[in-house]
Amino acid sequence: DAGVTQSPTHLIKTRGQQVTLRCSPKSGHDTVSWYQQALGQGPQFIFQYYEEEERQRGNFPDRFSGHQFPNYSSELNVNALLLGDSALYLCASSGTGVLRTRLFGPGTRLTVT
Amino acid sequence: GESVGLHLPTLSVQEGDNSIINCAYSNSASDYFIWYKQESGKGPQFIIDIRSNMDKRQGQRVTVLLNKTVKHLSLQIAATQPGDSAVYFCAESRGETGANNLFFGTGTRLTVIP
Repeated sequence: DAGVTQSPTHLIKTRGQQVTLRCSPKSGHDTVSWYQQALGQGPQFIFQYYEEEERQRGNFPDRFSGHQFPNYSSELNVNALLLGDSALYLCASSGTGVLRTRLFGPGTRLTVT
Repeated sequence: GESVGLHLPTLSVQEGDNSIINCAYSNSASDYFIWYKQESGKGPQFIIDIRSNMDKRQGQRVTVLLNKTVKHLSLQIAATQPGDSAVYFCAESRGETGANNLFFGTGTRLTVIP
């Protein structure tokens, strides 16, 4: 099992553009959470998807949206990119068990110029 | 988790010494806590967890202490090794099911000197 995989690894975009990041959860996991990690800071919760619906959302604007597919994979979309959106975007998957099972992917490094 | 600004706290220890990493959490309603290790270019990796009804939990070479009175967590690493060099985060949650979200602190960079 490859665990949680994310693509692409790195991405460079220009202000105002739109970006889509992808995540495949660990086999057997049905819940996907997305986090934004700015340089030198801890991850900040964006939202969580379960059964193809957004179950919880952190303090992020509507420019951040997501989707979960029937195979539990997920996408994070960010519109109208700002310089401040430059960060490492982490995907974490978990099953119906306890939080200790939550597994993070390696992240996608997004740079907005 | 508590935000302490843009400067990541650092800790340097000699190989073989014990390390203690501290964390202050902000939400008194949090009842479940996890320590994560993040190496360069990787996502956070689970180290150890503790529920709020406990004040100490031990794992392999690691111990977590919880002081709810002052909302403080610490991670102790025994006989620190070069492979322990990484950034360490504490994370808090209300509840410990997979449906709950994690709130992370800023992190501490641990450097082990051979």
